Amino acid sequence: AQKITQTQPGMFVQEKEAVTLDCTYDTSDQSYGLFWYKQPSSGEMIFLIYQGSYDEQNATEGRYSLNFQKARKSANLVISASQLGDSAMYFCAKCPPLVFGKGTRLSVIA
Amino acid sequence: NAGVTQTPKFRVLKTGQSMTLLCAQDMNHEYMYWYRQDPGMGLRLIHYSVGEGTTAKGEVPDGYNVSRLKKQNFLLGLESAAPSQTSVYFCASGSYEQFFGPGTRLTVL
Repeated sequence: AQKITQTQPGMFVQEKEAVTLDCTYDTSDQSYGLFWYKQPSSGEMIFLIYQGSYDEQNATEGRYSLNFQKARKSANLVISASQLGDSAMYFCAKCPPLVFGKGTRLSVIA
Repeated sequence: NAGVTQTPKFRVLKTGQSMTLLCAQDMNHEYMYWYRQDPGMGLRLIHYSVGEGTTAKGEVPDGYNVSRLKKQNFLLGLESAAPSQTSVYFCASGSYEQFFGPGTRLTVL
C-alpha cells in the first residue's frame, strides 16, 4: 500500500515569514502525481499545487512552491510570506489513486 | 457548472440501518473517489473508480460498497451501518486536479 508521511502534526509561523511543510512518500511507480491541499476550519478541500513525477521543474503557484526531490521521495510545500488566512490543515497526497497523508496543522501568528 | 455535489449533507442513522450517499460531477471526469475523514486525521480512501462500470478498493473498503453505473455518478452504500462509520465523507473527481464535494456528515447511533 502506498504511504504518505507528514511528520509535523502542527507548525507555527510568524506572519510574513516563509514556512516549509514536509511530505515523504513511498512508491515503486514510475509515473505519479503529487498534490497539496488546504483544509480550513470550514471543512472544504482546496487544491493548492500539483507536481508530476516527470516534471523537471519544481511547481509554483503564487506563494506556494513544491520542493520536489524525486530520489529522496519528498515533496515539501513552501509557503512564502505567510498570511493569517493561511492557518489551516495542509494535506499532501499522491496519485494514482489519490491517497493522503495525515496532515499538518499550520498556525500563522500575527 | 455545479462541479461536485454530494447528497445528503447530513444524516443520522441507527446501527444496522442502510443508506446510500450520492456523488455527482458535471466535468466529464473518468476518476471518482470516496473518502472518509475522522477527527484529527487525513482523508482515507474507501473506494474509487477509473471509469463508468469500474470500481476498486481503497485503504478502508470494509463495510462499504460502491457503484458507477453512469459516468457522472458515484454511489457509496452502507448496508448495515455501525458506529465506527460515523465520519465526514468526501467525494472527489478528476485526475491531475481533484475537485471535492462539500462533504456529508454521517452519524451512526
